[in-house]
Amino acid sequence: KNQVEQSPQSLIILEGKNCTLQCNYTVSPFSNLRWYKQDTGRGPVSLTIMTFSENTKSNRRYTATLDADTKQSSLHITASQLSDSASYICVVSLTSGTYKYIFGTGTRLKVLA
Amino acid sequence: EAQVTQNPRYLITVTGKKLTVTCSQNMNHEYMSWYRQDPGLGLRQIYYSMNVEVTDKGDVPEGYKVSRKEKRNFPLILESPSPNQTSLYFCASRLTGANVLTFGAGSRLTVL
Repeated sequence: KNQVEQSPQSLIILEGKNCTLQCNYTVSPFSNLRWYKQDTGRGPVSLTIMTFSENTKSNRRYTATLDADTKQSSLHITASQLSDSASYICVVSLTSGTYKYIFGTGTRLKVLA
Repeated sequence: EAQVTQNPRYLITVTGKKLTVTCSQNMNHEYMSWYRQDPGLGLRQIYYSMNVEVTDKGDVPEGYKVSRKEKRNFPLILESPSPNQTSLYFCASRLTGANVLTFGAGSRLTVL
């Protein structure tokens, strides 16, 4: 069964600290993995995409990693800001052309001043 | 501004009263889809459309209908809403061949 599991479910950190969110998937055939940020009351917005051949990709203070062998991805947030408070959703796409996405349940991050 | 627009954003209705949630995108995207988001569950796909007049069921289509008569619009129809359809609904679109989805702001529906 195609599944995407994220951990932790929720996380509270102090402003300026770093954190790492995890995503494990059992999806086949795998096409790519994307991280979305969902602010409260808003729709998800894409942060970064990881394809099978990519190990690490950075976007400002966000760094995503992908280990295709262990089927794990992580999203590392550096020097957190209050505006990072949101849910972070890991989404895996099956082989392109099938229009199929498997969504994780998300990690709810709260950054405190 | 490129966007996906959903209406209404909030709706409280009663069991059995037909309702429609509209979705419109201004990016000329071929692909559009509807999702529901419930606590503890990931986004689940209800229906999707690859282009005008082409629609298909997602993972949880029961109790919903859709239509795609124009490229920009993809309304979600609840013919006879029930309390288990109380949820947060998202419409999304993308270009064919692209991967990133553009989501609307969401429509929170409560069925009493």
